[in-house]
Amino acid sequence: EAGVAQSPRYKIIEKRQSVAFWCNPISGHATLYWYQQILGQGPKLLIQFQNNGVVDDSQLPKDRFSAERLKGVDSTLKIQPAKLEDSAVYLCASSSRDIPSPFFGPGTRLTVL
Amino acid sequence: AQSVTQLGSHVSVSEGALVLLRCNYSSSVPPYLFWYVQYPNQGLQLLLKYTTGATLVKGINGFEAEFKKSETSFHLTKPSAHMSDAAEYFCAVTRSGGYQKVTFGTGTKLQVIP
Repeated sequence: EAGVAQSPRYKIIEKRQSVAFWCNPISGHATLYWYQQILGQGPKLLIQFQNNGVVDDSQLPKDRFSAERLKGVDSTLKIQPAKLEDSAVYLCASSSRDIPSPFFGPGTRLTVL
Repeated sequence: AQSVTQLGSHVSVSEGALVLLRCNYSSSVPPYLFWYVQYPNQGLQLLLKYTTGATLVKGINGFEAEFKKSETSFHLTKPSAHMSDAAEYFCAVTRSGGYQKVTFGTGTKLQVIP
């Protein structure tokens, strides 16, 4: 069974630029999560999808972050414009109703200069 | 609201010694609890999970954890530490019902001293 795929693995941008991350969850997983992990901290949930609907986006900075999950499969997370404090690892995860523990991808490490 | 607290951001043990990583949870309903491990530059990998049933759960790499409702705890243990256990460990909580939010603790970095 293939795992959660993410790209790119690393990205360096300057502040005020925009960036997008892509995630392909495990086949058949209805729930998809985007987490932000700042160095030395635990993962913080940004947004959670069930199929292509949003379940929770209470901690998503909506003035600069956006996410979509078209057709209930792949997902894209965008930051526009980026700030220095957005430097972090962005983790995508997916889960099924029967197995509620999220399976994580390798993450995208974003550095904002 | 649900939350987890991990006591000790850094823990050091000698190789062969007992590993004990502490996690306390807060939840208004019966929780599901997880332990994940993260190696440098990698995503999180599930070590073990408690949903219902037996309160002592065994996971990969010789780790186990015990759900204690009276103490609201879910501590992670391993009888004998190995150098390869050096990593960061995260406790997480959710609840039953499908498609629930999963909340993570701040993590404990385990150092194994040869």
